[in-house]
Amino acid sequence: DAGVIQSPRHEVTEMGQEVTLRCKPISGHDYLFWYRQTMMRGLELLIYFNNNVPIDDSGMPEDRFSAKMPNASFSTLKIQPSEPRDSAVYFCASTTFRGGGYTFGSGTRLTVV
Amino acid sequence: QKEVEQDPGPLSVPEGAIVSLNCTYSNSAFQYFMWYRQYSRKGPELLMYTYSSGNKEDGRFTAQVDKSSKYISLFIRDSQPSDSATYLCARGILIQGAQGAQKLVFGQGTRLTINP
Repeated sequence: DAGVIQSPRHEVTEMGQEVTLRCKPISGHDYLFWYRQTMMRGLELLIYFNNNVPIDDSGMPEDRFSAKMPNASFSTLKIQPSEPRDSAVYFCASTTFRGGGYTFGSGTRLTVV
Repeated sequence: QKEVEQDPGPLSVPEGAIVSLNCTYSNSAFQYFMWYRQYSRKGPELLMYTYSSGNKEDGRFTAQVDKSSKYISLFIRDSQPSDSATYLCARGILIQGAQGAQKLVFGQGTRLTINP
């Protein structure tokens, strides 16, 4: 298995633009998580899905953020409109219902200028 | 108060030294404890996983959990330059209805450098 795959690896965009981050979880994993990492706040959980259904989005910072999981092999995190304070590394992770720890992707480094 | 507190360092030690990394947590409901290692510009990778008090050993790594004092430690013996990374402690709460999947909350991470 290729692991959790995220794209793009780097994204530079101008303030006000729409940004879409993509994630392909490990096949067979029931849970998918989106995290954001910054120097100031560390790793923060944004939202997670179980069997493609959003379960807890209490970590999503604002209405500008939205996430979808249309099928078991694909999820998106969208920011519209983007702001400079959204600059961070966004990670996707997946796991099975049996647990045992998450497998993280390599992240998308977002810079909003 | 953050749910998981971790000294961000940085911590720099010579090769071969024993490294001690520590975290404290505030919620007694936490059931699972993990240590992740994160190399620069990479995603975190699971290093150690435990749900009980006491020690768990894996090669040069030992995870120690003291639930009575809400204290988690990671010890690295015979440290190597390849151990240079950021180490993140995490606590997990079981997701309702899941057999073992958890929501994880991470500490700030400790940046460790092992000098040759």
